[in-house]
Amino acid sequence: QSALTQPASVSGSPGQSITISCTGTSSDVGGYNFVSWYQQHPGKAPKLMIYEVNNRPSGVSNRFSGSKSGNTASLTISGLQAEDEADYYCSSYTGDTTRVFGGGTKLTVL
Amino acid sequence: QVQLVQSGAEVKKPGASVKVSCAVSGYRFTSHGISWVRQAPGQGLEWMGWISPYNGNTNYGQKLQGRVTMTTDTSTTTAHMELRSLRSDDTAVYYCARHVGNWDAFDIWGQGTMVTVSS
Repeated sequence: QSALTQPASVSGSPGQSITISCTGTSSDVGGYNFVSWYQQHPGKAPKLMIYEVNNRPSGVSNRFSGSKSGNTASLTISGLQAEDEADYYCSSYTGDTTRVFGGGTKLTVL
Repeated sequence: QVQLVQSGAEVKKPGASVKVSCAVSGYRFTSHGISWVRQAPGQGLEWMGWISPYNGNTNYGQKLQGRVTMTTDTSTTTAHMELRSLRSDDTAVYYCARHVGNWDAFDIWGQGTMVTVSS
């Protein structure tokens, strides 16, 4: 199972919005609404930010939102803040009871 | 509160085995699966596999099939991951994570265990 494709890096200024894409195939992202997104700060464990494409767990800011079109899922962060600077990973169910992560995107807040 | 607490760092020689534990507290152990995820230094996340503490069913990633075994002990509410025939490219931080089936997402993570494979 190949990793999902994410841009290596994105950047934005405080207050702006950014979007991170996550491209897979019809066997994973495109075939199921089980896409989740994780935030990871250096030296820390990942944190769940979005599940089932566009749902936020309790406690996650509503500045984080998710969407999907075809084989590509997206994470949008609005009103960028310095604390949002981190690595972001998407994950998808793959239909054969396995899961796959994206390669990760480093977000820099300028 | 819900916690997953992992065992400490390990240093192993190539060809050896390592067993990492993940002690669960704060919820009913058999209600959620446990996935294992690893991260090589400077690299991304890799899903290794999943186990159901309810019935012991497992699913392993293709890359590690034959070298990894995941188990649970309901008496101690602990999950274990054993990786055999270690190679240098198995050097990574290994995480356990609670898998929420309805969401198919990992909502609570352990702190990670660094496994170093070096001669």
